Amino acid sequence: QVQLVESGGGVVQPGTSLRLSCAASGFTFRTYAMHWVRQAPGKGLKWVAIISYDGSNKYYGDSMKGRFTISRDNSKNTLYLQMNSLTAEDTAVYYCVRDQSGDYALDYWGQGTLVTVSS
Amino acid sequence: QSVLTEPPSASGTPGQRVTISCSGSSSNIGNNYVYWYQQLPGTAPKLLIYRNNQRPSGVPDRFSGSKSGTSASLAITGLRSEDEADYYCAAWDDSLRGVVFGGGTKLTVL
Repeated sequence: QVQLVESGGGVVQPGTSLRLSCAASGFTFRTYAMHWVRQAPGKGLKWVAIISYDGSNKYYGDSMKGRFTISRDNSKNTLYLQMNSLTAEDTAVYYCVRDQSGDYALDYWGQGTLVTVSS
Repeated sequence: QSVLTEPPSASGTPGQRVTISCSGSSSNIGNNYVYWYQQLPGTAPKLLIYRNNQRPSGVPDRFSGSKSGTSASLAITGLRSEDEADYYCAAWDDSLRGVVFGGGTKLTVL
């Protein structure tokens, strides 16, 4: 069965960096585009980024451009999110999500990893 | 402020039919597929409707989606207590070059 397991969350200070990982299993990872979506405490869903199946194309949400970098290692079935210059507004649960068929249907979600930015 | 607009809340009694609306623009809903997600309390979201009106395997046919112009709606018939959740619409936005979500609708089953 499809499994997406995020890791790397935690409490960090403003201005610092953090890298999230997502270990994928149960499907042919290298053939699917992948997303990161976040949810601040008590708030709605906010799209973070997408990466194509081969890593050649990447798009980011407005407030993440220039600070966040999505990447993948298909040999390790792992998705990453490098987050720099973190602020309190980046505090959220970050979900790793599979794109069903390249048309932006987010069909499998991980359990999420909590990132808290606080001094 | 979300790019897609949903009502913040909706409610109904068991057995009733409830609809949730989602309003966008020509750059998102008007030109792309609409998706709906259900988020039960304390859990990750789940894909409920894709490509405007398609249900993934395992989603009951009580849930249906439709789209017209720059708006879409989710209908739930035969409302059940376990349908109490947050519902989000989403679509790709050609101008923003990203996925945009609605602010979410909290459905209460009275």
